[in-house]
Amino acid sequence: GDSVTQMEGPVTLSEEAFLTINCTYTATGYPSLFWYVQYPGEGLQLLLKATKADDKGSNKGFEATYRKETTSFHLEKGSVQVSDSAVYFCALSDPANAGKSTFGDGTTLTVKP
Amino acid sequence: DGGITQSPKYLFRKEGQNVTLSCEQNLNHDAMYWYRQDPGQGLRLIYYSQIVNDFQKGDIAEGYSVSREKKESFPLTVTSAQKNPTAFYLCASSSIWGAEQYFGPGTRLTVT
Repeated sequence: GDSVTQMEGPVTLSEEAFLTINCTYTATGYPSLFWYVQYPGEGLQLLLKATKADDKGSNKGFEATYRKETTSFHLEKGSVQVSDSAVYFCALSDPANAGKSTFGDGTTLTVKP
Repeated sequence: DGGITQSPKYLFRKEGQNVTLSCEQNLNHDAMYWYRQDPGQGLRLIYYSQIVNDFQKGDIAEGYSVSREKKESFPLTVTSAQKNPTAFYLCASSSIWGAEQYFGPGTRLTVT
């Protein structure tokens, strides 16, 4: 079946540091890939997405590139802020698996001033 | 503003009682979902509905029930058969099945 593996957290960075959160996947078909963010006590929000190989999703300074050859979708940001502290979830939707969505376990990011 | 609403934000119940969590969306989305999130863990799919009047069991449906009589509404009932119901419950919707999901703010259920 499909699966999503995220870098284990928690991740602690200083403000303005470079962020990478690794995400790799296995899928039966050719999935769409997503990053969601969850702030404390809230629901998830879509951060960015990519639907085909080599697509780069970007939003609010975050980027991720769909790498089919390495089955990866790593999240990056050049300079994190305290307000980026949250839990980040990588997810996929696989049309070959009846379009079912699969989420990673989430990575907690804490940014210190 | 379009979005998903869940009510209430916090819910307390005694063991043995059924409880219904509300989820409403005004995004005109066809698909809706219910997830459970336990502390420090990811999301687990309880039920989903690809279209009105149809729904399917997810990975952890035992002890839960749903209905989808209206496109905009997808209430979840946590029954007394659910062994460990205390959790954070998230409702989501997507324009079509498999598209990116939009989440509600969640309901934190505590059963004692």
